[in-house]
Amino acid sequence: SQKIEQNSEALNIQEGKTATLTCNYTNYSPAYLQWYRQDPGRGPVFLLLIRENEKEKRKERLKVTFDTTLKQSLFHITASQPADSATYLCALHTGGFKTIFGAGTRLFVKA
Amino acid sequence: DAGVIQSPRHEVTEMGQEVTLRCKPISGHDYLFWYRQTMMRGLELLIYFNNNVPIDDSGMPEDRFSAKMPNASFSTLKIQPSEPRDSAVYFCASSSDREQYGYTFGSGTRLTVV
Repeated sequence: SQKIEQNSEALNIQEGKTATLTCNYTNYSPAYLQWYRQDPGRGPVFLLLIRENEKEKRKERLKVTFDTTLKQSLFHITASQPADSATYLCALHTGGFKTIFGAGTRLFVKA
Repeated sequence: DAGVIQSPRHEVTEMGQEVTLRCKPISGHDYLFWYRQTMMRGLELLIYFNNNVPIDDSGMPEDRFSAKMPNASFSTLKIQPSEPRDSAVYFCASSSDREQYGYTFGSGTRLTVV
């Protein structure tokens, strides 16, 4: 069956370090993959999109990689700050306009 | 733009009652999505519309759920009759050029069915 897996356990890191979140998928061949941030009581907010023919994409302190052979995307936040604490969701485009979301990984950045 | 607007923010209702959730998408966005989020199942796509026409409703759990989009600026998700297992946060999202901007989500409606 089709599955998207993100680190189920929360990630705790120290301010200033790089946070790395993982998104693995099976039985999909997505044309692109998206990353969202979700704060408690709010809807997800779009951060970045990476296409299947792109290996890496950057936006300010964010970097996303996409390995279609490994069926994995890595999401990096460099020089992390306490304000980066949130849940991060990966989402796969599976055809038509259908997008499937992972369960998310909670990130805590300690000052 | 005020973003995607959902109402109400919170809804508590008794089992068996009808519930209507409302959404106003961003002006100019031609796609509208309804998602449901629970701890157990995460974010699930229920239905989506393109230019007010329902395209894929395969995620709608049962006949108790229905969604309409009478015009480009308004959509409803109705549950009749409601059951406790429908308790969740329901999100509406809209999009135009998803490859550039992804989806814009509303703040959600937290539904509790007692």
